[in-house]
Amino acid sequence: SQQGEEDPQALSIQEGENATMNCSYKTSINNLQWYRQNSGRGLVHLILIRSNEREKHSGRLRVTLDTSKKSSSLLITASRAADTASYFCATDDNTDKLIFGTGTRLQVFP
Amino acid sequence: EPEVTQTPSHQVTQMGQEVILRCVPISNHLYFYWYRQILGQKVEFLVSFYNNEISEKSEIFDDQFSVERPDGSNFTLKIRSTKLEDSAMYFCASRLAGQETQYFGPGTRLLVL
Repeated sequence: SQQGEEDPQALSIQEGENATMNCSYKTSINNLQWYRQNSGRGLVHLILIRSNEREKHSGRLRVTLDTSKKSSSLLITASRAADTASYFCATDDNTDKLIFGTGTRLQVFP
Repeated sequence: EPEVTQTPSHQVTQMGQEVILRCVPISNHLYFYWYRQILGQKVEFLVSFYNNEISEKSEIFDDQFSVERPDGSNFTLKIRSTKLEDSAMYFCASRLAGQETQYFGPGTRLLVL
């Protein structure tokens, strides 16, 4: 598999439900970042978790990182229709570039 | 809140033509990047730039590509002779020294006919 693969590829939920997206990677990392992309638009930075951190929160977002399994998850609680977007993980292996995952397309129905 | 800006938002060009994509990074940022995203695919790193030099470049960033910081505010990506497969969304990003978060611009959608 490639660096930064995410699952599921697509996720459909109702407003108010929680959405969980997973990301796996292959190499050692310095940090892992999650970005959001509305259809055809730019990338918005959501949250960064460093390799020595296990969990981080920001508003309705919760990110976990398991470096032994080389995986991360992004949880969006109490989802809203406005959360509909694609979500990407991106790893920074200390070579000053981000390697992006394949993304999860989240659809939140009102 | 400061943002990375990019112009144009869309560009259509003929194969073989040169294009220049422009970016204005956030003003106190010192590290600059270009990425691209072919439709339906993942975002791919092209090049990083610091202190007026390329820090790193990917295999995609061949001799047809170049970057420049012509003045204190702009950061450009030039494609000398565009190919059909250069059609993609091109994103510029920047970050502050000592911090890890890269801030992305809204992108330029390039279509090569």
